[in-house]
Amino acid sequence: RKEVEQDPGPFNVPEGATVAFNCTYSNSASQSFFWYRQDCRKEPKLLMSVYSSGNEDGRFTAQLNRASQYISLLIRDSKLSDSATYLCVVNIGSNQFYFGTGTSLTVIP
Amino acid sequence: DAGITQSPRHKVTETGTPVTLRCHQTENHRYMYWYRQDPGHGLRLIHYSYGVKDTDKGEVSDGYSVSRSKTEDFLLTLESATSSQTSVYFCAISEPGQSSALHFGNGTRLTVT
Repeated sequence: RKEVEQDPGPFNVPEGATVAFNCTYSNSASQSFFWYRQDCRKEPKLLMSVYSSGNEDGRFTAQLNRASQYISLLIRDSKLSDSATYLCVVNIGSNQFYFGTGTSLTVIP
Repeated sequence: DAGITQSPRHKVTETGTPVTLRCHQTENHRYMYWYRQDPGHGLRLIHYSYGVKDTDKGEVSDGYSVSRSKTEDFLLTLESATSSQTSVYFCAISEPGQSSALHFGNGTRLTVT
């Protein structure tokens, strides 16, 4: 079983739509959680950390459900520039990180 | 952006040749990592370092070695490149602590023919 699992998509949504991605993790001792964005042929870049109480950064909202071992990312009012692959990342401790395979998003005009 | 530089950015090499990839950071971060990214697999850890001359294996370490003689440099060596090592290689850095995130270099695209 993979440490982190994501629906690969692709998600194709119109501009202005709301889209949500989920990610599940297998290690109940996982300590910290992140969403990264990766553009085609580029490096992953930190989008946001995910906190237990949930957190928001502009149009982006991240939530963590420790009981069910999943994290989510909600994007509101999608922009063309949001088109990318979104990676779920889990730190299981001792600076060991595990990655989902990514969810592809295309925002359509 | 974190000061992480990878070199070379692209390399084509033949099967059986040795290859060294370099990662250089200007952030003085303690942890450095080498990942490879392949379709369908996501990012997988090859080796990591938690200090000068302190390294350990990741999940896909076979065929790779690393060295870290200075805080700022982390080298990845393919002793005898194989076609299965064709991939995109990313270096990353982080600070100790459970809330620390990874910051990536811009990657090296390696093709082994």
